[in-house]
Amino acid sequence: QSVLTQPASVSGSPGQSITISCTGSNSDIGSYSHVSWYRQYPGEAPKLMIFEVSNRPSGISNRFSGSKSGNTASLTISGLQAEDEANYYCNSFTVSDTRVVFGGGTKVAVL
Amino acid sequence: QVQLQESGPGQVKPSETLTLTCTVSGGPVSRGGRYWTWIRQRPGKGLEWIGCIHHSGTTFYSQSLKSRVYMSMDASENQFSLTLTSVTAADTAVYYCARDAIAAAGEFDFWGQGTLVTVPS
Repeated sequence: QSVLTQPASVSGSPGQSITISCTGSNSDIGSYSHVSWYRQYPGEAPKLMIFEVSNRPSGISNRFSGSKSGNTASLTISGLQAEDEANYYCNSFTVSDTRVVFGGGTKVAVL
Repeated sequence: QVQLQESGPGQVKPSETLTLTCTVSGGPVSRGGRYWTWIRQRPGKGLEWIGCIHHSGTTFYSQSLKSRVYMSMDASENQFSLTLTSVTAADTAVYYCARDAIAAAGEFDFWGQGTLVTVPS
């Protein structure tokens, strides 16, 4: 049972936009701006896509954007492409002794 | 470009101790405020933060694993290690080492490729 809640799957057609939610609490997402998103292809290590809620690392396409409202963070992928089909994970800093918590992951399917 | 590489046994017997090492290249582990982290992923499951270490020796561990986890660093070898005691089949996972870009806040900008550790049941 992950601390952060993500939908198990999200799908969209090429060119569409999709949004993945990540819901936490006042102990994590609601109180801190240290929310990150990762993309993971099967058999590979995760890759940082968004950090500090809405910042993109160098080299990450501007089709990826992040936001936060209250206890929920969101990752939006616009102009969906076949290569976006992967698992996406959110994480957040948390006030608990376990400093970092992850969401359970969302499988993105491109129809 | 920072690169990380995990190494260790592919299989550990139940009740024994697992030790993994992460070798870092492209930058010293002893520089700045970055924390060096271990994350695992059980087969078919999500990511689980295990803990992290700073070159000062400061460590943070997952509450659920705290009693069995120990992390250390060898700056001269540019390596850091994970020790997990009393392993069970539930510890079977791919173990990743990663760099936390900002003070143990969960922004992992560089990752190793991961190493699968199996604990037979």
